Amino acid sequence: DADVTQTPRNRITKTGKRIMLECSQTKGHDRMYWYRQDPGLGLRLIYYSFDVKDINKGEISDGYSVSRQAQAKFSLSLESAIPNQTALYFCATSDGTRTEAFFGQGTRLTVV
Amino acid sequence: GDSVTQMEGPVTLSEEAFLTINCTYTATGYPSLFWYVQYPGEGLQLLLKATKADDKGSNKGFEATYRKETTSFHLEKGSVQVSDSAVYFCALVTQGGSEKLVFGKGTKLTVNP
Repeated sequence: DADVTQTPRNRITKTGKRIMLECSQTKGHDRMYWYRQDPGLGLRLIYYSFDVKDINKGEISDGYSVSRQAQAKFSLSLESAIPNQTALYFCATSDGTRTEAFFGQGTRLTVV
Repeated sequence: GDSVTQMEGPVTLSEEAFLTINCTYTATGYPSLFWYVQYPGEGLQLLLKATKADDKGSNKGFEATYRKETTSFHLEKGSVQVSDSAVYFCALVTQGGSEKLVFGKGTKLTVNP
């Protein structure tokens, strides 16, 4: 099994719908992150969490919310999806500032 | 704020050519620096890292040296292979307070046989 698992892998949804992307990890890490990847823009940080009680906004948090249900689970929600939220979304985990981050395989979200 | 700037692609090379992908950063303090690679259809995975000035990270024939005087962490490989075709991201982890992983925009490399 993968260290970081994202579900679903692909999703098509309609404008205005609520959607949740889920992430779970078996690394035992405290830190978890959500990024979105767009062509030519690289990865941009949406939200990050250093433990269950610590949630922080990233550079592009508008239109998104998160929930850290447990150390191993970090969910990203789009309350009312819009087409410009069409992107590839990645969850990542790490255990500190000088160590590597581990990424899930991504969720490709299309909002029509 | 902290940021990473890397050369824009795409980069197309022939097999066995020399590769350089430039990366410079802006950060307070002493960030850790990373190169990640994304193969088609996959998530990112760590290629190499360096945590202090003059450190050299290396893996799979790739190298990068943490140059504080020029705030750079350029990726090099002496002889690329078709299997190196991927998107490469330079990244740093900020220091102090809200440490977070900041990425460059990525450079797509295509290696032709």
